[in-house]
Amino acid sequence: DGGITQSPKYLFRKEGQNVTLSCEQNLNHDAMYWYRQDPGQGLRLIYYSQIVNDFQKGDIAEGYSVSREKKESFPLTVTSAQKNPTAFYLCASRDGQGYGYTFGSGTRLTVV
Amino acid sequence: KNEVEQSPQNLTAQEGEFITINCSYSVGISALHWLQQHPGGGIVSLFMLSSGKKKHGRLIATINIQEKHSSLHITASHPRDSAVYICAVRGNTDKLIFGTGTRLQVFP
Repeated sequence: DGGITQSPKYLFRKEGQNVTLSCEQNLNHDAMYWYRQDPGQGLRLIYYSQIVNDFQKGDIAEGYSVSREKKESFPLTVTSAQKNPTAFYLCASRDGQGYGYTFGSGTRLTVV
Repeated sequence: KNEVEQSPQNLTAQEGEFITINCSYSVGISALHWLQQHPGGGIVSLFMLSSGKKKHGRLIATINIQEKHSSLHITASHPRDSAVYICAVRGNTDKLIFGTGTRLQVFP
């Protein structure tokens, strides 16, 4: 079945360490997105990529980095510069033909 | 003021009740999405609307472009419908703007 795989589901990180969240899709979608979800707030866009080897900052990109070397993969690195990294992170992709989005199951990151 | 507002924030219902969740937005849109987020966190896309009404099983979504308002209805609600329902709009850019969600609990 086609879909988006995010791993790991739960991640613990010590303060000061970088950590990379994985997002893989087998839907042949061109566009991919990373969102952050905090309690009581709507999802906020961190980075997005509309095509391989190209990506743009979203609304809250500071302290994060991404790469898009392959169409299927859009990993997100949470760097030590991110001041409040504990959150739920969701990856999504979009069908280039229309506006339909597919979401992953998310990664819950906790900084200890 | 948020560009996408949902109401109510929390909703409890008895099994079998008819449920309505509302979404109002203040920006021009090309499409509106209704999403369902289960306790584990994963999100499922329920509907994508640009006009009119769509139905899938016990779920019905409507949109009024002139009034900038959409509703999600659940008929004959069931405990398995318990989830957070999120409204999101796509404007003129390649970005979704999300509401904060409506937490629904359906009790047997």
